[in-house]
Amino acid sequence: EVQLVQSGAEVKKPGESLKISCQASGYRFTNYWIGWVRQMPGKGLEWMGIIYPGDSDTRYSPSFQGQVTISADKSISTAYLQWNSLKASDTAIFYCARSFVPDTAAAFDYWGQGTLVTVSS
Amino acid sequence: EIVMTQSPGTLSLSPGESATLSCRASQSVRTNYLGWYQQKPGQAPRLLIHGTSRATGVPARFSGSGSGTEFTLTISTLQSEDFAVYYCQHYDNWPFTFGGGTKVEIK
Repeated sequence: EVQLVQSGAEVKKPGESLKISCQASGYRFTNYWIGWVRQMPGKGLEWMGIIYPGDSDTRYSPSFQGQVTISADKSISTAYLQWNSLKASDTAIFYCARSFVPDTAAAFDYWGQGTLVTVSS
Repeated sequence: EIVMTQSPGTLSLSPGESATLSCRASQSVRTNYLGWYQQKPGQAPRLLIHGTSRATGVPARFSGSGSGTEFTLTISTLQSEDFAVYYCQHYDNWPFTFGGGTKVEIK
């Protein structure tokens, strides 16, 4: 069974750093692109970026380029999303999700449960 | 960047009726590079349609159509569990983008 299990909710202060995780199981991690999607409170879905764990090829939306870093550790089948300096406007739910086609970035068929990040002074 | 625009913002319908949701792209998207998702409150999105194919386990009342810049999600007979927010997303070129969503609510 394919599963994406995300790390728990976080409460941080502006300026702090953060790294959230998405652990995959039930499939060959290196063969499927994994993406990150933001959902701000009461708002829609925003595609942030995506990584191919096989070779760490990473693509970002221009809206998020330079604001976050996406990475993956093949040895533990885990993808990450990190910030160096959080802002209050980073408060949102962040989802990881897997491309439905192997070796091809596409729509997302399996999703993590979401990680709520709250940034407040 | 391709901008995806969904309409209407909200659709008020009764169970048993059919729903037609629209998604317009700011530039042409290859036909099989468009997906539709359903999201219910407090849940992660669920993939319904990729291209014109239903994702695994999705009921036959959901169908996707369209080409170029105009795409449609049709729900043939609304069930109580179909009242939710629906998003389209292209995956034709970087960056992949979502539409703003259509809320299907009970009339």
